[in-house]
Amino acid sequence: DVKVTQSSRYLVKRTGEKVFLECVQDMDHENMFWYRQDPGLGLRLIYFSYDVKMKEKGDIPEGYSVSREKKERFSLILESASTNQTSMYLCASRTTSIQTQYFGPGTRLLVL
Amino acid sequence: GENVEQHPSTLSVQEGDSAVIKCTYSDSASNYFPWYKQELGKGPQLIIDIRSNVGEKKDQRIAVTLNKTAKHFSLHITETQPEDSAVYFCAADSNDYKLSFGAGTTVTVRA
Repeated sequence: DVKVTQSSRYLVKRTGEKVFLECVQDMDHENMFWYRQDPGLGLRLIYFSYDVKMKEKGDIPEGYSVSREKKERFSLILESASTNQTSMYLCASRTTSIQTQYFGPGTRLLVL
Repeated sequence: GENVEQHPSTLSVQEGDSAVIKCTYSDSASNYFPWYKQELGKGPQLIIDIRSNVGEKKDQRIAVTLNKTAKHFSLHITETQPEDSAVYFCAADSNDYKLSFGAGTTVTVRA
């Protein structure tokens, strides 16, 4: 079974803090994704990565950056957290040849 | 870009009845349409998917239909059970690595 894990289930941070969210997948997938989920808006793509050291902006990249130094790990960075970044963050992965994305359990981030 | 609309936003059904969720998409290049189920406190889990060269797919109590001409696809759950209560998301992939999601449908199955 595909397993996607996220470093934290819940996080509470202060405005202005630098926040790191980490995602690890164990299926040797080339592609990895970060989404945020807000009520009534579904899932919106923040960034994705085709492969190691590659990254592409999604639909809402402002205020975020990412890092992919190893194939199995994809990090989302909030450079200076703001209250409007309070949300559920979901990581996903897939292989290049198959379109199915597999999701992690999510990290619920509260920025005070 | 792709725009996916999903209806209804909430759905309450009696146990044993059927539930239908409908989605429309805008990009005619979209060729893959997954459905995800998200239970409380968990990430979305794929329950069924369909590709653009297929009109219908069924897996036990769950079926998905696709109408490419009208650009809409639907999820059908028959003989609903309490464990079917969850949030369901449709999505469309235009083969550019991106999944565009609908806003979600909260399904409640009444015992």
